[in-house]
Amino acid sequence: ETGVTQSPTHLIKTRGQQVTLRCSSQSGHNTVSWYQQALGQGPQFIFQYYREEENGRGNFPPRFSGLQFPNYSSELNVNALELDDSALYLCASSSSMMETQYFGPGTRLLVL
Amino acid sequence: AQKVTQAQTEISVVEKEDVTLDCVYETRDTTYYLFWYKQPPSGELVFLIRRNSFDEQNEISGRYSWNFQKSTSSFNFTITASQVVDSAVYFCALSEAQSNTGKLIFGQGTTLQVKP
Repeated sequence: ETGVTQSPTHLIKTRGQQVTLRCSSQSGHNTVSWYQQALGQGPQFIFQYYREEENGRGNFPPRFSGLQFPNYSSELNVNALELDDSALYLCASSSSMMETQYFGPGTRLLVL
Repeated sequence: AQKVTQAQTEISVVEKEDVTLDCVYETRDTTYYLFWYKQPPSGELVFLIRRNSFDEQNEISGRYSWNFQKSTSSFNFTITASQVVDSAVYFCALSEAQSNTGKLIFGQGTTLQVKP
């Protein structure tokens, strides 16, 4: 059984640029959740996608957007990058909205 | 408001010592779920356990055990006979049924260092 995978592993961008992060869910899972983890902090919920529809959003501005595809993989897009967007971005998949979330290895984003 | 508090920022023990990581939560929901995740230096969050609010039975899995007490809103995690490989950041998390998203609310994490 293939676990959750994310790409790229590391990324460096400059302020004002746009970035796309990708996540492949675990086999049999139809739900993907995204989290942002700043250094030394616990992860913060960005949003969740269930069967290609956004299903809940945390306290993040609209420049954070996402997509889920028919194969349940997902993308996180961040526009107009700010220095504070530097963080570890974690993707988690689950078999349904309320089921246990299993996390990928994360993408480390550095904004200069 | 929902909240998870892990008051211990860092704990350092010597191998083979027992260690307990504390977790206190706040929620107004009557149906909720509690979790523990382990985050090694690689960054990936590893799922350890999930409990629902109606099941206060304590659980043991090998050297790991969890004590859930609704009366004190606590969900503590004990590692018996700690090993160097247990060194990691441990997160306690809460999700509420009313959110209908499984959104996880994490504590700040406890960094556990096990010295040989």
